[in-house]
Amino acid sequence: EAGVTQFPSHSVIEKGQTVTLRCDPISGHDNLYWYRRVMGKEIKFLLHFVKESKQDESGMPNNRFLAERTGGTYSTLKVQPAELEDSGVYFCASSQDRVTRAFFGQGTRLTVV
Amino acid sequence: KQEVTQIPAALSVPEGENLVLNCSFTDSAIYNLQWFRQDPGKGLTSLLLIQSSQREQTSGRLNASLDKSSGRSTLYIAASQPGDSATYLCAVLGSSNTGKLIFGQGTTLQVKP
Repeated sequence: EAGVTQFPSHSVIEKGQTVTLRCDPISGHDNLYWYRRVMGKEIKFLLHFVKESKQDESGMPNNRFLAERTGGTYSTLKVQPAELEDSGVYFCASSQDRVTRAFFGQGTRLTVV
Repeated sequence: KQEVTQIPAALSVPEGENLVLNCSFTDSAIYNLQWFRQDPGKGLTSLLLIQSSQREQTSGRLNASLDKSSGRSTLYIAASQPGDSATYLCAVLGSSNTGKLIFGQGTTLQVKP
């Protein structure tokens, strides 16, 4: 069974540009989460989808971040325009329900220069 | 607001030693607690998950305990090996069952041959 897959693994962009991160969850997992770890800080929750619906987006930093999960399958996280402080590792996770074990992807390392 | 703290931030031990990693959380109203392992450039691998009603979980050389009333968990690694070198993260799931994990900053372990 394939795990959670994230694309790209690394991305280096200039300040002001747009970047889109993609997450393919484990097939059949309705719950999809985005997390982020910035340098020197703990991993922090960004948002939670149940199927195609945003269940909780309380962790989204600002309106430059837009997450979608059309059709309830894969998800994208777009940062537009990117700022220097957006640099970090973005993780995606999925689970069958809210209380069972979540499986994490390998992360996307985003560097904004 | 739930806060998770891990001590120490880094640990270096010789191969063969038994060691304990600590995790504390401020709000005892949790649903479960997980210990994760992260290797450099890799995703998070769930090692052990302890439900709030449980006191401990064991997997091979790993044993995790949970004292919910005092807001503490420990991860015990027996007979450490160089392959155990990684960052270990503790995360709690709140009892509101939102699916959102709150992470500690992690303990980076180095086991020297």
